[in-house]
Amino acid sequence: AQSVSQHNHHVILSEAASLELGCNYSYGGTVNLFWYVQYPGQHLQLLLKYFSGDPLVKGIKGFEAEFIKSKFSFNLRKPSVQWSDTAEYFCAVTPQTGANNLFFGTGTRLTVIP
Amino acid sequence: GAVVSQHPSRVICKSGTSVKIECRSLDFQATTMFWYRQFPKQSLMLMATSNEGSKATYEQGVEKDKFLINHASLTLSTLTVTSAHPEDSSFYICSARDSTANTGELFFGEGSRLTVL
Repeated sequence: AQSVSQHNHHVILSEAASLELGCNYSYGGTVNLFWYVQYPGQHLQLLLKYFSGDPLVKGIKGFEAEFIKSKFSFNLRKPSVQWSDTAEYFCAVTPQTGANNLFFGTGTRLTVIP
Repeated sequence: GAVVSQHPSRVICKSGTSVKIECRSLDFQATTMFWYRQFPKQSLMLMATSNEGSKATYEQGVEKDKFLINHASLTLSTLTVTSAHPEDSSFYICSARDSTANTGELFFGEGSRLTVL
């Protein structure tokens, strides 16, 4: 069965610090990968996604993620965080064939201190 | 991007009553919608897949008679929590994928917070 692991439950950073949130998945086939963000009081929004091609994908608001197939990982990064990045971040996976729903990680809460 | 709207955003009900939550895709058609449940500080757990014009597919452990799903049109799915109990209090989120697009992206509703007294 598919599973998604996010190892960091709560990350606290100061503004301008660099960010890396870990995401590992368990699935034997080819997958599509996503990072979603949930700002306080708002609904989930797509940050970025990877389907194929360049494993380094760039998303909105300066975020990027790198797909490392050998490590089954899709870590999210941002070189310099802002207070407005405070949110909950969810990694999600869907097989390219078969099931068409997303499997979510448990989420990582990011708190950025001004 | 595409918009998914949920209503109501908050509902408080007495134990034993039923509550209906609507999920609408406002500017696209969705043959499939998904209903998730989110507990505090936990991830989204898929409850069921709602299929337009046919029966929903429920995940293991989800009672189909308790969580009734109807997907009567390409833009509307409803989740009815029947005979609600306090343990049903949770945040329910729906999502939908644009049937005509091939992006794989799911668009999420704002969520509905249910509190059962």
